[in-house]
Amino acid sequence: RKEVEQDPGPFNVPEGATVAFNCTYSNSASQSFFWYRQDCRKEPKLLMSVYSSGNEDGRFTAQLNRASQYISLLIRDSKLSDSATYLCVVRSYGGSQGNLIFGKGTKLSVKP
Amino acid sequence: NAGVTQTPKFQVLKTGQSMTLQCAQDMNHNSMYWYRQDPGMGLRLIYYSASEGTTDKGEVPNGYNVSRLNKREFSLRLESAAPSQTSVYFCASSDPGRDYGYTFGSGTRLTVV
Repeated sequence: RKEVEQDPGPFNVPEGATVAFNCTYSNSASQSFFWYRQDCRKEPKLLMSVYSSGNEDGRFTAQLNRASQYISLLIRDSKLSDSATYLCVVRSYGGSQGNLIFGKGTKLSVKP
Repeated sequence: NAGVTQTPKFQVLKTGQSMTLQCAQDMNHNSMYWYRQDPGMGLRLIYYSASEGTTDKGEVPNGYNVSRLNKREFSLRLESAAPSQTSVYFCASSDPGRDYGYTFGSGTRLTVV
């Protein structure tokens, strides 16, 4: 089982739609969780951290379920500018990964 | 505040040539990383440096060497480039004392022919 798994998509949605991305992680000792956004041919950028109680940043809501080892990202009222690849990221200490483990990403395309 | 700066942005090499990718950060971060990103493979860690003076192998270190020159700079060297090393290379830095994730450079697109 891969350490961080995501549905690769693509998710094609109309403007204004609500879209949800899911992610599972295998290491129950994982301690920190993030969502990154990567635009085409650009570097990944931190979108938001994910806290145990869940957290919201404008149209974006992140949830964490430690018991199920599951992370989600909800985007409400999608904009054309939300089109990007969303990377689920987990911090697990130890091993050769140097802390952050990246999922392969879920591609989102928002259409007019 | 430039963040993480990588040079060059683009490079074409012939098989067997060598080159060094440069990375510098101005955020006083302790840790620095080199990743490669290939279609369908996601980001894979090549080498990392937890602090000045230390380096460690990541998931895919073969064919690469690194140097942590000082706290700001972390370079990646390809001694004898191979077509399998055609990829986009990202440098990143972080401050483990603050859980803000990584800051990435804008990447180097390397093609080996």
